Amino acid sequence: GAVVSQHPSRVICKSGTSVKIECRSLDFQATTMFWYRQFPKQSLMLMATSNEGSKATYEQGVEKDKFLINHASLTLSTLTVTSAHPEDSSFYICSARDSGSSYNEQFFGPGTRLTVL
Amino acid sequence: GQNIDQPTEMTATEGAIVQINCTYQTSGFNGLFWYQQHAGEAPTFLSYNVLDGLEEKGRFSSFLSRSKGYSYLLLKELQMKDSASYLCAVLDSNYQLIWGAGTKLIIKP
Repeated sequence: GAVVSQHPSRVICKSGTSVKIECRSLDFQATTMFWYRQFPKQSLMLMATSNEGSKATYEQGVEKDKFLINHASLTLSTLTVTSAHPEDSSFYICSARDSGSSYNEQFFGPGTRLTVL
Repeated sequence: GQNIDQPTEMTATEGAIVQINCTYQTSGFNGLFWYQQHAGEAPTFLSYNVLDGLEEKGRFSSFLSRSKGYSYLLLKELQMKDSASYLCAVLDSNYQLIWGAGTKLIIKP
């Protein structure tokens, strides 16, 4: 199956700093990528939909100035958590939809665990 | 509003069969997915149903009834490694995935 990588897998940072998370589709092109956040024992919460070459679409309640998304190529999307605070500590997961597939399946990255001290 | 319901937790015995149900109410329907998620890991794809009926894939099967807004995931010959959360997700009319809260499956020896 298609592979999506995510980097870093784990990051610990101080409050007030910014953290960038990369999501790459390794063997397929992804016009659309998705960013999710998951708190312990809860389901995935969609944060934003990232479209290559255009602005991301944010879900209600997600601050676009705090969670900056860039999807500059068909294989790379980045999420930057700006001025991170302890409440931003969570498991961030990206997924990518294969542009060449009609299956509509989303392939998930392994996730990034962010801890803000 | 859009809503997906599945049980919060289920317990089953190693070697047995378990059925995890999912009911949904969404704006449009373009398919239903089941994902498996082990603790601390990202979800992995299990199945996709867009037409009514049963899809079988090894020990796992998934069923869909669009008229009833209902699906189930059937796991046979349970193994300890099947202990995980199972997520039901529906692709709505905007091709956006609507996620259930997940069912935590506990397998006992």
